[in-house]
Amino acid sequence: GDSVTQMEGPVTLSEEAFLTINCTYTATGYPSLFWYVQYPGEGLQLLLKATKADDKGSNKGFEATYRKETTSFHLEKGSVQVSDSAVYFCALSVRNTDKLIFGTGTRLQVFP
Amino acid sequence: KAGVTQTPRYLIKTRGQQVTLSCSPISGHRSVSWYQQTPGQGLQFLFEYFSETQRNKGNFPGRFSGRQFSNSRSEMNVSTLELGDSALYLCASSLAPSSNQPQHFGDGTRLSIL
Repeated sequence: GDSVTQMEGPVTLSEEAFLTINCTYTATGYPSLFWYVQYPGEGLQLLLKATKADDKGSNKGFEATYRKETTSFHLEKGSVQVSDSAVYFCALSVRNTDKLIFGTGTRLQVFP
Repeated sequence: KAGVTQTPRYLIKTRGQQVTLSCSPISGHRSVSWYQQTPGQGLQFLFEYFSETQRNKGNFPGRFSGRQFSNSRSEMNVSTLELGDSALYLCASSLAPSSNQPQHFGDGTRLSIL
């Protein structure tokens, strides 16, 4: 079945460091891909999305490119801030449904 | 524009009881989905509703059920509660079922079973 695998956390970085969180997927068909972020005590917020191969999603300095050949959707940010500390989830959805399949989440901790 | 509203935010129940959780989607959104989040299993899909019809169901026992009303508000019910049902239950809404439509999540209902 469809699945998402993302790197284990926590990822601990100093402020202004470069961030990469790896995400790979397995899916039948052509899924859309998402990154969601969850701050303590809150629900999920959509960070960015890509709906087809080679699409690049971007928001708030975060970027991810839909790579069909490597079935990957890695999240990157050039310079992280303390306020980026949160749990990040990679997800896919199958066409014509709202069902999301999530990875296990990666906790990011950024220290000043 | 109000976001997705889930009530109550916190709930404490004992084993064997039943519980009903409520979700009010963003105005104009007609698709509602539910997820269970636990430290051990992560985020797992429960149901998806559109126009009062269940379109998809996750791999959960029959004790978990849901429904959607004509105003798109949704409820989920869990009967005969077990300790393992302790979780954060998240609701998400979108305009219509499609992977091109972003889903907006509520802050969840945290259910604790004693």
